[in-house]
Amino acid sequence: SQKIEQNSEALNIQEGKTATLTCNYTNYSPAYLQWYRQDPGRGPVFLLLIRENEKEKRKERLKVTFDTTLKQSLFHITASQPADSATYLCALDPVKSQNFVFGPGTRLSVLP
Amino acid sequence: DSGVTQTPKHLITATGQRVTLRCSPRSGDLSVYWYQQSLDQGLQFLIQYYNGEERAKGNILERFSAQQFPDLHSELNLSSLELGDSALYFCASQAIPKDTQYFGPGTRLTVL
Repeated sequence: SQKIEQNSEALNIQEGKTATLTCNYTNYSPAYLQWYRQDPGRGPVFLLLIRENEKEKRKERLKVTFDTTLKQSLFHITASQPADSATYLCALDPVKSQNFVFGPGTRLSVLP
Repeated sequence: DSGVTQTPKHLITATGQRVTLRCSPRSGDLSVYWYQQSLDQGLQFLIQYYNGEERAKGNILERFSAQQFPDLHSELNLSSLELGDSALYFCASQAIPKDTQYFGPGTRLTVL
């Protein structure tokens, strides 16, 4: 069956460290994958998109990798700050579908 | 501010009742998606409209229906409400298929 998993429900890290979040998928062949940030009670906000032919994408302190062989995307936040605390969602496009499928999310807490 | 508006922000109603949630997409976006997010649950795709026509259906109950009007705003109708329908309902708009989705602030529905 098709599945999207994100490494853990919650991740706690110390301020200044690099946070690494994982998104694994099964029985999908996405053309691209997106990462969103969601704060409690608010709508998700788009962060980064990476296509299947791209190995890595960066935006300021954020970095995303996409390994279609491993069927995995890694999302890194370097020099993390308490303001980075939020839930991070990965989303992919089932190739033959118009709609996105979202992972369950990882709740990141950056401790001062 | 994503440019997507949703009303109302909060809705409290009783079991068996019917409610209508409204969404206005970003200016120029033809596609509207509806999602349900229950407590501690991921985003569940309900339905997508593109320029007034239904394009994709997810896990939408028969008690729920939606439509997109000529001015591109969309409404999600929930009827015969049950306690389990209590959730955050988000709409998202998209300029072109498989592009980034921009989420509204959500409507929090509480069924008592």
